[in-house]
Amino acid sequence: AQTVTQSQPEMSVQEAETVTLSCTYDTSESDYYLFWYKQPPSRQMILVIRQEAYKQQNATENRFSVNFQKAAKSFSLKISDSQLGDAAMYFCARSFSGAGSYQLTFGKGTKLSVIP
Amino acid sequence: EAGVTQFPSHSVIEKGQTVTLRCDPISGHDNLYWYRRVMGKEIKFLLHFVKESKQDESGMPNNRFLAERTGGTYSTLKVQPAELEDSGVYFCASSRSGNYGYTFGSGTRLTVV
Repeated sequence: AQTVTQSQPEMSVQEAETVTLSCTYDTSESDYYLFWYKQPPSRQMILVIRQEAYKQQNATENRFSVNFQKAAKSFSLKISDSQLGDAAMYFCARSFSGAGSYQLTFGKGTKLSVIP
Repeated sequence: EAGVTQFPSHSVIEKGQTVTLRCDPISGHDNLYWYRRVMGKEIKFLLHFVKESKQDESGMPNNRFLAERTGGTYSTLKVQPAELEDSGVYFCASSRSGNYGYTFGSGTRLTVV
């Protein structure tokens, strides 16, 4: 089975500091997409950042950036200048183009707490 | 634009009963997905609609689950009869096309007792 692994069930960070959430994945495909989603408490999941596997340049969205290591199948998320609103569950996901479906395979998630 | 809407937000039913979950995607989004998260486990794919057609239903756990998408608009997911292991959060998501990430709804928390 093709899997996504988030090895840190919970993490915490001081406000204004930087934190990195780890994610590794398994795939036999050469072309795929990777995503980080954020789910605040009792709210919907929102897309934080997206990386196309054929692009070597790491994606960046404001305070959020990724470290994409294709050979190592690693896709970590760095949050800079952490804010209280960053507290949430973070899910790493990989797309799978099975049956033209683009279904996502998710990790179990990392619960991030931000300490004032 | 309005987001993806799911209702009910919570449902508690007894084992053996029937429950129907509804998802209203973003207008114009042809792709609609259902996912489920059972407590403590990963979010798992259930199925994918393109307009009113089922593109991929490989994740549907068994024939107690029936999904429909009327006229390519809203979708329903019916569980009949419900079992204890069906408890979890059911997410719906929609997208225009391709592999650009979805917009998720807030989910329906289903508890079977």
